[in-house]
Amino acid sequence: GAGVSQSPSNKVTEKGKDVELRCDPISGHTALYWYRQSLGQGLEFLIYFQGNSAPDKSGLPSDRFSAERTGGSVSTLTIQRTQQEDSAVYLCASSLDGRAEQYFGPGTRLTVT
Amino acid sequence: KQEVTQIPAALSVPEGENLVLNCSFTDSAIYNLQWFRQDPGKGLTSLLLIQSSQREQTSGRLNASLDKSSGRSTLYIAASQPGDSATYLCAVRGGANSKLTFGKGITLSVRP
Repeated sequence: GAGVSQSPSNKVTEKGKDVELRCDPISGHTALYWYRQSLGQGLEFLIYFQGNSAPDKSGLPSDRFSAERTGGSVSTLTIQRTQQEDSAVYLCASSLDGRAEQYFGPGTRLTVT
Repeated sequence: KQEVTQIPAALSVPEGENLVLNCSFTDSAIYNLQWFRQDPGKGLTSLLLIQSSQREQTSGRLNASLDKSSGRSTLYIAASQPGDSATYLCAVRGGANSKLTFGKGITLSVRP
């Protein structure tokens, strides 16, 4: 079956612009996670959804970052007023529930110029 | 706060060698541990998942072990091949319904 998909695969934006990153989880997976991978920091957790609610948002680095999930499926991560330090690969993962194995998408590479 | 360490950061071995990749974590109260593979410019591929109650898991030439009390896991790769060249990441989950905390990975190069 289809895996986790993310779009766009690459995004180049100017500093100060807003961006939206999309994640389509595996069908039937109730849990969805966003992570960020940057050269110096490794893989960092951003936010976790169970259904449409986000019980753990502790990894969002600032109030410029927000995410939502609708219909228990697609999720969108929005970064407002992008900064150069936001440049990273943003990875989405989903799992059957909050205890199961996580499956990752291919990521969105964000470059802020 | 959970911290996951993978040392060394890079490893180069000749083809055919059996090798062990190490992972250590500071908080032994984990729910499960997952090993991933990442190829350059790609996402993560899950290799093995070990529940906290398990000691090891096997898949093909891969075997992962878990010693929760000492905060360690190892990934054993038998008869390494050039196609095994990738970055291997270890990640622990602190509880049900919680995030994964990742190590920084070990970049493996298998020389033909």
